[in-house]
Amino acid sequence: EIQLQESGPGLVKPSQSLSLTCSVTGYTITSGYDWSWIRKFPGNKMEWMGYISYSGSTNYNPSLKSRISITRDTSKNQFFLQLNSVTTEDTATYYCASHLILRAYFDYWGQGVMVTVSS
Amino acid sequence: DIQMTQSPASLSASLGETVTIECRASEDIYNGLAWYQQKPGKSPQLLIYNANSLHTGVPSRFSGSGSGTQYSLKINSLQSEDVASYFCQQYYDYPYTFGAGTKLELK
Repeated sequence: EIQLQESGPGLVKPSQSLSLTCSVTGYTITSGYDWSWIRKFPGNKMEWMGYISYSGSTNYNPSLKSRISITRDTSKNQFFLQLNSVTTEDTATYYCASHLILRAYFDYWGQGVMVTVSS
Repeated sequence: DIQMTQSPASLSASLGETVTIECRASEDIYNGLAWYQQKPGKSPQLLIYNANSLHTGVPSRFSGSGSGTQYSLKINSLQSEDVASYFCQQYYDYPYTFGAGTKLELK
């Protein structure tokens, strides 16, 4: 079974970059699935941020396109989120999640990591 | 972006009751809709995909229906373990978008 686990700092200062890691076990990130970042804001709004595909291509939410980068390290079976120039409005719980290619419903999720943007 | 309008925002029901949650898309999403359950402190769990297909291991009291722009999730014979938040997600078009969620409580 696929398991995902997020890691990264829980506190980031405004204007800095937010960097998170998703470690995947039970499946190789280079085949069959696309790998997304999703966040849930206080107040429960959910936002899909973007994904990196099994082939390494990326697709980002246009609302974030100028600030977001999703990359991967296939040797470690990990993928990463970098969000630049954060503000307090980026305070959220960040999840990594996966879906089969061409079937973009998320059947595996990490446990989530709460990130607060504050000085 | 496709907007997903979910209702109600909160719902109180009794054990054994049948509850229905609805999502309306701002345009036709051709059954590209999933439903998730999320309990406090836990990650979301997939319940339904393709609007009406039950995900593996999900109890049969959960069902999804709808087409075009209107979709619904029905829970038959409500159990205590169904107390959670539920939300829909469209995956017909980028960017994928979610409903605002429904918080289900026991009466």
